[in-house]
Amino acid sequence: SQTIHQWPATLVQPVGSPLSLECTVEGTSNPNLYWYRQAAGRGLQLLFYSVGIGQISSEVPQNLSASRPQDRQFILSSKKLLLSDSGFYLCAWSGTSHEETQYFGPGTRLLVL
Amino acid sequence: AQSVTQPDIHITVSEGASLELRCNYSYGATPYLFWYVQSPGQGLQLLLKYFSGDTLVQGIKGFEAEFKRSQSSFNLRKPSVHWSDAAEYFCAVARMDSSYKLIFGSGTRLLVRP
Repeated sequence: SQTIHQWPATLVQPVGSPLSLECTVEGTSNPNLYWYRQAAGRGLQLLFYSVGIGQISSEVPQNLSASRPQDRQFILSSKKLLLSDSGFYLCAWSGTSHEETQYFGPGTRLLVL
Repeated sequence: AQSVTQPDIHITVSEGASLELRCNYSYGATPYLFWYVQSPGQGLQLLLKYFSGDTLVQGIKGFEAEFKRSQSSFNLRKPSVHWSDAAEYFCAVARMDSSYKLIFGSGTRLLVRP
């Protein structure tokens, strides 16, 4: 069966520091991968998605970037964190055909101070 | 543009009572619709989905949802709520472009009174 992992689970970082969040998927190949951010008390906002290695699409302009160095690895990064980057970051995967469901990881809670 | 509206930010029900969470969508064609549940500090778990066919969809944990095209709605229901159902519930619609990305509603937080 497929599983999706995210780490770290919780992260506290100072403003201006770099960021690297990792997401890996097991039990499937060539998945679509997604990064979402969930601000406190709000819904999910899609940040990036990827349909293959090295293929990244950005949904909203921001201080963050994403990379997909391997088929089942998706990384969310920042060179300099802002206070507004605080939130709950969720990674998800799906198959690549129609009628595919997205399955979510456990999330990473980021607090920027 | 596609959008999803969950008009109720919070809902409180008594344990054993019935539940209906509302979801309205805006989309020109037949949508792919989903309900997810999120416990505090956790990721999202899929409850059920609608792609086509029978408009009454059964999901996990005793939940069901009914797709009503005429009302652009996909309301989630459960006949008898358990205390463990307290969580946040998200309705989502899939964007039918090449990415099949999800658009989420803002969520409804369910509180269950003992």
